[in-house]
Amino acid sequence: NAGVTQTPKFRVLKTGQSMTLLCAQDMNHEYMYWYRQDPGMGLRLIHYSVGEGTTAKGEVPDGYNVSRLKKQNFLLGLESAAPSQTSVYFCASNQGMNTEAFFGQGTRLTVV
Amino acid sequence: AQSVTQLDSHVSVSEGTPVLLRCNYSSSYSPSLFWYVQHPNKGLQLLLKYTSAATLVKGINGFEAEFKKSETSFHLTKPSAHMSDAAEYFCVVSANTGFQKLVFGTGTRLLVSP
Repeated sequence: NAGVTQTPKFRVLKTGQSMTLLCAQDMNHEYMYWYRQDPGMGLRLIHYSVGEGTTAKGEVPDGYNVSRLKKQNFLLGLESAAPSQTSVYFCASNQGMNTEAFFGQGTRLTVV
Repeated sequence: AQSVTQLDSHVSVSEGTPVLLRCNYSSSYSPSLFWYVQHPNKGLQLLLKYTSAATLVKGINGFEAEFKKSETSFHLTKPSAHMSDAAEYFCVVSANTGFQKLVFGTGTRLLVSP
């Protein structure tokens, strides 16, 4: 049972390049989330989804877009990468209120 | 709205001594509270959760936390630290109504010395 899988695990981008991070979960969870983790700031919510075909903005959505075309997948896109987007990105999923969130292993992104 | 404050960015203990990681929360609704642990270069793992049942919650690896509504606190404790406990710990709050996002604290790094 894979749980939550993120690809890629590492990536280096040049300023202005675009990329997509993929999150896949095999637990049939309704809710999925994208967070970024920066030193001293904990995890901050970028976007989230409460079901297939739905997305919503979190705390720090600027510069990112998301899509949830299939229930098991949640994609995070950077259209024009900036050095401020250098971070570790985590995807998570859960079944709803008060339930445990399961996290992927993270994607370390560096924008130069 | 929900928020959580972890009062210490770093905590250092010796192996075999007690661990106390402090967390205060704020919530407009009855809260759900969680502690997650992150070992270096790993994802996050749930240690324990409080969701309006017993106020003393036991988790994995000997950790426990007590929900104190009057103090708006949810401190994490362990009687005896082990070297493998060295990690970053996150206190997380959500609300027991509708769909509420998880709100993370800034984390506490636990250092355990021999």
